[in-house]
Amino acid sequence: AQKVTQAQTEISVVEKEDVTLDCVYETRDTTYYLFWYKQPPSGELVFLIRRNSFDEQNEISGRYSWNFQKSTSSFNFTITASQVVDSAVYFCALGSTGANNLFFGTGTRLTVIP
Amino acid sequence: DTEVTQTPKHLVMGMTNKKSLKCEQHMGHRAMYWYKQKAKKPPELMFVYSYEKLSINESVPSRFSPECPNSSLLNLHLHALQPEDSALYLCASSQGLTGSTEAFFGQGTRLTVV
Repeated sequence: AQKVTQAQTEISVVEKEDVTLDCVYETRDTTYYLFWYKQPPSGELVFLIRRNSFDEQNEISGRYSWNFQKSTSSFNFTITASQVVDSAVYFCALGSTGANNLFFGTGTRLTVIP
Repeated sequence: DTEVTQTPKHLVMGMTNKKSLKCEQHMGHRAMYWYKQKAKKPPELMFVYSYEKLSINESVPSRFSPECPNSSLLNLHLHALQPEDSALYLCASSQGLTGSTEAFFGQGTRLTVV
């Protein structure tokens, strides 16, 4: 069974603080893909990152970084020096080869207070 | 151009009305999707079109009828909807199967059924 858990429903931080959004997944597939999407108030989901199960390298993109640990089935997302524009709902998602569906977590609503 | 365009952005319809949601992408993607998202929930897959053929219908009621006139366009025809169908309807497209490649989403149509 495929499952994604985002235990943090809502997080509030003050601008310039660092924040980590947690994502824990379950799958029996040996090849799978993990994604993070951002959904601002305007509604569209914005793709942030894709990671396949064979690539455990952490990634940094500007203020964003991702920590993938297969040993704990986690794919956590850290925003450094948060900004008000980071306020959004963030979804972690799990997909697999040959599948045309994504399993989304329930999302974490991040509010950055100026 | 990585844009998925949805029209209209907002729609209010009565339970006896017939309306259509439209989606367009010009990224050459061959897979297109309709998702339904209720407030504070993750998106739920409704339909998948792959190479203009319906490949997945996630047990969606027949009052929702998808149509893919060509590789760039995707419509969702609505008829005799219920108030519980009020939601954000998101269109997405991807180069490959969305389980392994990133999807690009439109801003959605906020539908209210009265």
